[in-house]
Amino acid sequence: GDSVTQMEGPVTLSEEAFLTINCTYTATGYPSLFWYVQYPGEGLQLLLKATKADDKGSNKGFEATYRKETTSFHLEKGSVQVSDSAVYFCALRRGTNAGKSTFGDGTTLTVKP
Amino acid sequence: DGGITQSPKYLFRKEGQNVTLSCEQNLNHDAMYWYRQDPGQGLRLIYYSQIVNDFQKGDIAEGYSVSREKKESFPLTVTSAQKNPTAFYLCASTDRGLATNEKLFFGSGTQLSVL
Repeated sequence: GDSVTQMEGPVTLSEEAFLTINCTYTATGYPSLFWYVQYPGEGLQLLLKATKADDKGSNKGFEATYRKETTSFHLEKGSVQVSDSAVYFCALRRGTNAGKSTFGDGTTLTVKP
Repeated sequence: DGGITQSPKYLFRKEGQNVTLSCEQNLNHDAMYWYRQDPGQGLRLIYYSQIVNDFQKGDIAEGYSVSREKKESFPLTVTSAQKNPTAFYLCASTDRGLATNEKLFFGSGTQLSVL
């Protein structure tokens, strides 16, 4: 079945540091890939997405590129802020799988001033 | 503003009791989902519904039940058969249930604890 593997956390960085959170996936067909962010006590919000190979999703300084050859969708940001502290989830979705999404376990990011 | 409303935010269950979590959306979305989130883990799908009066079991449906009598509502009942119900429950929806590129819209969650 489908699966998503994320880099284990927690990740602690200083403000303005470079961020990478690794994500790899296993799925048949051509899934869409997503990064969601969750702030404490809240639901998830879409951060960015990519729907086909070589697409780059970007939002709020975050970027991720859909790499079919390495089945990866790593999240990057050049300069993190304290306000980026949250849990980040990588996910995939295949329409042929009844529209169900598969999530990674989440990576907790803490940014210190 | 359109969105998904979950209530209550915190819920306590006694042994042997059934409890119902509410999920309402005014986005006119066809598909709705219930996920369970345990600390340090990803989201696991409990039930989902693509259209009114139809729903399907997800990966961990045992001990749970749902109904979809109205498009905007998808309540989840945690029954006494669910022996480990303490978790954060998230309701979500998408515009078209089978589209690959559709993002999920989430509610703000309900934290269920056992007394």
